[in-house]
Amino acid sequence: QQQVKQSPQSLIVQKGGISIINCAYENTAFDYFPWYQQFPGKGPALLIAIRPDVSEKKEGRFTISFNKSAKQFSLHIMDSQPGDSATYFCAAEVGANNLFFGTGTRLTVIP
Amino acid sequence: DARVTQTPRDKVTEMGQEVTMRCQPILGHNTVFWYRQTMMQGLELLAYFRNRAPLDDSGMPKDRFSAEMPDATLATLKIQPSEPRDSAVYFCASGLVGWSTDTQYFGPGTRLTVL
Repeated sequence: QQQVKQSPQSLIVQKGGISIINCAYENTAFDYFPWYQQFPGKGPALLIAIRPDVSEKKEGRFTISFNKSAKQFSLHIMDSQPGDSATYFCAAEVGANNLFFGTGTRLTVIP
Repeated sequence: DARVTQTPRDKVTEMGQEVTMRCQPILGHNTVFWYRQTMMQGLELLAYFRNRAPLDDSGMPKDRFSAEMPDATLATLKIQPSEPRDSAVYFCASGLVGWSTDTQYFGPGTRLTVL
């Protein structure tokens, strides 16, 4: 079964707008929640990550919001740019082992 | 600029043939992962190694897939015999897992097409 549920499957945002992608999990043992960005023809690359001891992490225009009680976390892309158009994957990990990936969100930012 | 390398980048083969994919992890990384990506299933973990020892290969069809790390600079994924349903992009990733970061660094992938 899917350990990490991700939505939406695709997202279209105007340039300058806010892109929001949501993920939910069930396993409370997960202790590391990264987001990966993948451009066509490339491998996924780490974008930003959070551990459950904080509720928010911001790096530039990218912010992770983490709600431990609801077992949900989300990626916010502020001032979205056409160059942000890519597929985004959330993931979760237990104890420095394998990552469980969400199904991905294809983001298109329209100029 | 250290990066994971994978060969070949593209492979087209016929059903029943053997396929070998190779990965060179980033020097000094202690963990190597093999993933498969398809439109239907997304990113699936096939197997991973830590310090060259296999830790988990439960995601791999055991009858036809095998993964090895003959040395610290080379990981291989072999499919024998290949089937059309194996068509996918196969990614290798490496990381220095268990230290200050759990980041996995992905290679560019091998696009496999089995006819």
